[in-house]
Amino acid sequence: DTGVSQNPRHKITKRGQNVTFRCDPISEHNRLYWYRQTLGQGPEFLTYFQNEAQLEKSRLLSDRFSAERPKGSFSTLEIQRTEQGDSAMYLCASSLATGWTDTQYFGPGTRLTVL
Amino acid sequence: AQTVTQSQPEMSVQEAETVTLSCTYDTSESDYYLFWYKQPPSRQMILVIRQEAYKQQNATENRFSVNFQKAAKSFSLKISDSQLGDAAMYFCAYRSSSNTGKLIFGQGTTLQVKP
Repeated sequence: DTGVSQNPRHKITKRGQNVTFRCDPISEHNRLYWYRQTLGQGPEFLTYFQNEAQLEKSRLLSDRFSAERPKGSFSTLEIQRTEQGDSAMYLCASSLATGWTDTQYFGPGTRLTVL
Repeated sequence: AQTVTQSQPEMSVQEAETVTLSCTYDTSESDYYLFWYKQPPSRQMILVIRQEAYKQQNATENRFSVNFQKAAKSFSLKISDSQLGDAAMYFCAYRSSSNTGKLIFGQGTTLQVKP
């Protein structure tokens, strides 16, 4: 399977714990995006990388959130001191941005539940 | 800031019939991209169709077509010959032509297909 993969698929944690999610993009895709989706809503943009550079962060991304994409391959999203409001589906997408074209392909998501 | 609105939280259609999902957006830009994504229950989001704002011709992908009205800032999705596998949540999304690439999603429309 050469699609976007995310691990773990589900994560249950207690409030105050740290969690880390991983996203493996489609091979050779230079852009990687993170979105958050709460139940019954559309995804909201969190951040994106072009290669290894993090180029934009949403105001939704508080200082408890950090994302990395070392070497421009896989990416990790870490949430420190989780809160119940962090419970959501975290989606990763990748794309090959050439000129103005940038069609994003999504992974299956990581569902986070904070107790 | 750009916004995307889907005013139909739920729609239903009889198998083999045609259904139209509505989407409106607000932007001051003249060049942008619009997308429809499908998210089946507990499955990942997949791209249905894409439209470049500079193209007057409406995009078509097999049974899926759009009615793009740039002046009215409207972008509806028509599904012809509906199939049971079309049942899903459908999201309309906007992307600026600037190099950021992030998608702005609507709230989604849940489509039920009745046999």
